[in-house]
Amino acid sequence: DAMVIQNPRYQVTQFGKPVTLSCSQTLNHNVMYWYQQKSSQAPKLLFHYYDKDFNNEADTPDNFQSRRPNTSFCFLDIRSPGLGDAAMYLCATSGPLWGQGHNQPQHFGDGTRLSIL
Amino acid sequence: QKEVEQDPGPLSVPEGAIVSLNCTYSNSAFQYFMWYRQYSRKGPELLMYTYSSGNKEDGRFTAQVDKSSKYISLFIRDSQPSDSATYLCAMGNTDKLIFGTGTRLQVFP
Repeated sequence: DAMVIQNPRYQVTQFGKPVTLSCSQTLNHNVMYWYQQKSSQAPKLLFHYYDKDFNNEADTPDNFQSRRPNTSFCFLDIRSPGLGDAAMYLCATSGPLWGQGHNQPQHFGDGTRLSIL
Repeated sequence: QKEVEQDPGPLSVPEGAIVSLNCTYSNSAFQYFMWYRQYSRKGPELLMYTYSSGNKEDGRFTAQVDKSSKYISLFIRDSQPSDSATYLCAMGNTDKLIFGTGTRLQVFP
């Protein structure tokens, strides 16, 4: 089945130690998103790619970076994780039919739960 | 005021009940409305997608959009224990998509 796969499902890192989360998709979607979701809160969009075009949200901290080496893969890099960065990180994709608008249905992976020691 | 408001619940109902989940919003420019279901420790799963006002039905699920009142609803008929999850509304336009905080639903046998 076509899907969005996130690895690892659980990640523990130390305060200030860089960490990378990965996302892959077999849907051949051209838009990929990264969200941060804290307990009982709405998913918060960090950034998204339309093909190779990177779009950063205005309030996303500089500590968060992303890479998309090809259509299938996207990475979230947290350069110096702080305690406030402990959260579920969700990757999502959307298809090419309607351009890069945010109105398209998004397909989510099962997330990576990040803990900071 | 948040752009999207959603009661966090939890909402607890017996099996077979009709469930009504709701969201209100403040931005009259929103045209696209979605409902996602999120099981514990899983990613959100798209349930319903509607454009502008009106109703949409899919099996036991019905989505309603009332743009004049800025109010959307998701109805679940004949609710099952497997429907126990958090339900997130999401809405927006081509520029942005805003999620609600989710309503936790518990369906007990």
